Amino acid sequence: RKEVEQDPGPFNVPEGATVAFNCTYSNSASQSFFWYRQDCRKEPKLLMSVYSSGNEDGRFTAQLNRASQYISLLIRDSKLSDSATYLCVVRNQAGTALIFGKGTTLSVSS
Amino acid sequence: DAGVIQSPRHEVTEMGQEVTLRCKPISGHDYLFWYRQTMMRGLELLIYFNNNVPIDDSGMPEDRFSAKMPNASFSTLKIQPSEPRDSAVYFCASRTGGGNQPQHFGDGTRLSIL
Repeated sequence: RKEVEQDPGPFNVPEGATVAFNCTYSNSASQSFFWYRQDCRKEPKLLMSVYSSGNEDGRFTAQLNRASQYISLLIRDSKLSDSATYLCVVRNQAGTALIFGKGTTLSVSS
Repeated sequence: DAGVIQSPRHEVTEMGQEVTLRCKPISGHDYLFWYRQTMMRGLELLIYFNNNVPIDDSGMPEDRFSAKMPNASFSTLKIQPSEPRDSAVYFCASRTGGGNQPQHFGDGTRLSIL
């Protein structure tokens, strides 16, 4: 089983739609959780950290369920500019290296 | 401030040749990471350094791969001899100490081995 698993998609949605991405991780001792965004032919960039209580940043909401080892990202009122690949990321037990999922591709159309 | 700088941006070479990828981390960052990204395997950690010392190289695929960090402002990833299956995008990233500090990635090197 891979350490971080995501539905690869693609998710094709119209502008204004709400879309949710899910991710599961295998190591129950993982310490920190993030969502990164990667545009086509670009480097990954941090979108947001994921906290146990859940957190929101504008149109983006991240949730963590440690018992189920499950992370989610919700995007509301999606924009054309949200089209990208979203990477679920877990910091390993040692607290240093990041383990990346393979990403979920989102395409928002007008 | 300048971000993580990688060179070259693109490299095309024939199998069997030696390939050297270069990275300059953000000044003051004490962690440096090398990743490889392919469609099949996604983004994989190859090796990381802390204060110029290799800490975990368990992701390095085989002896053909080696990485060095001779000082705080420079690291290399070398492949010798190169093979077509090494074709990928190689990213370098750096961050400061502290578990929740974000990693900053360079633009990557697109490597094609013919």
